[in-house]
Amino acid sequence: AQSVTQPDIHITVSEGASLELRCNYSYGATPYLFWYVQSPGQGLQLLLKYFSGDTLVQGIKGFEAEFKRSQSSFNLRKPSVHWSDAAEYFCAVGADDMRFGAGTRLTVKP
Amino acid sequence: DVKVTQSSRYLVKRTGEKVFLECVQDMDHENMFWYRQDPGLGLRLIYFSYDVKMKEKGDIPEGYSVSREKKERFSLILESASTNQTSMYLCASSLRASYGYTFGSGTRLTVV
Repeated sequence: AQSVTQPDIHITVSEGASLELRCNYSYGATPYLFWYVQSPGQGLQLLLKYFSGDTLVQGIKGFEAEFKRSQSSFNLRKPSVHWSDAAEYFCAVGADDMRFGAGTRLTVKP
Repeated sequence: DVKVTQSSRYLVKRTGEKVFLECVQDMDHENMFWYRQDPGLGLRLIYFSYDVKMKEKGDIPEGYSVSREKKERFSLILESASTNQTSMYLCASSLRASYGYTFGSGTRLTVV
């Protein structure tokens, strides 16, 4: 069965610092992998996705993620965090029916 | 842009009531999904549908049912609401898996 683990429940970074959010997955075949962001009181917005090809994928808002098959990981990165990036981030895996991690809440310090 | 609209932003219902949560999408997507979101648990899949009148159970279908009579509308039904169904409910749709999902803004349901 497919599953997703986000090891970090809450991360705090300073504005301008780099960010990496971790995601590990379990899936029987080559997965579709996604990162979503949820601002308070909102639905989820797709940041980026991977299903084949280049293992480093670029998304919106300056985010990128790298697929590492050997580590079953799909970590999200951003070189310089902005205060507006404070939100909850979800990693997801699946094909026709997607499974989500528990989420990582990002706080950005001034 | 695809829009997924959930009919209510906030709902308060009493224990034992039958509750209907409505979701409508406007881009002719085949696939629609219902998740519930709880702190520390992320999103958990309740039911999904690949086509009109078709439904599949997700990971936590107990206490819920769904209806899809028209392609654009996917309803979640709580047959007899209980306090442990107090949660945020998110609807999503997709054209195909590789495109990702488009989510509605959610319905926060409180059962008292």
